[in-house]
Amino acid sequence: QKEVEQNSGPLSVPEGAIASLNCTYSDRGSQSFFWYRQYSGKSPELIMFIYSNGDKEDGRFTAQLNKASQYVSLLIRDSQPSDSATYLCAVISAGGFKTIFGAGTRLFVKA
Amino acid sequence: GAGVSQSPSNKVTEKGKDVELRCDPISGHTALYWYRQRLGQGLEFLIYFQGNSAPDKSGLPSDRFSAERTGESVSTLTIQRTQQEDSAVYLCASSLELAGGDTQYFGPGTRLTVL
Repeated sequence: QKEVEQNSGPLSVPEGAIASLNCTYSDRGSQSFFWYRQYSGKSPELIMFIYSNGDKEDGRFTAQLNKASQYVSLLIRDSQPSDSATYLCAVISAGGFKTIFGAGTRLFVKA
Repeated sequence: GAGVSQSPSNKVTEKGKDVELRCDPISGHTALYWYRQRLGQGLEFLIYFQGNSAPDKSGLPSDRFSAERTGESVSTLTIQRTQQEDSAVYLCASSLELAGGDTQYFGPGTRLTVL
């Protein structure tokens, strides 16, 4: 089992729709969770981070964390073609500082 | 101030040669990380530094890989006797502190091609 798992996609949604990206992790003691966006040929850039169970909203983005079920998700409301990218889930291992990334989910937003 | 910079941006080398990749973190950032990203894949953690100390080297793929950092400044990742499977983009990131939740800022990467 991979430490951080994501559906590779591609996930295709029409412009204006909600895109839902999911991630599961294996280390139950993990404390910090991040979503990065990576455009093709570019470096990852942070979208959101979340530490506590529940929802965290920032503009069109909402991160959801459920530690009991060991999953974290990212919702993108009113999806735009410019949101088309690979979204990487990252988890900080318990008791340490090693960041484990998922393989990423490719998102396509169709105009 | 400036972001994380890496050099060279591209490196083509022959199998068996040694290469050095350089990372300049954001000024004042104490933590520095190296990752490898093969084509179409996610980021593979290699090593992190707190200051010039690297407490966990378990992510380095083999003993051909080594890294060092001068104080809280420049870091170099060295790959000896390169192999074709070393071809990838090598990304460096830095964060203000080595806190579990601190944001990592990524450099543009070095694309390494081993012929």
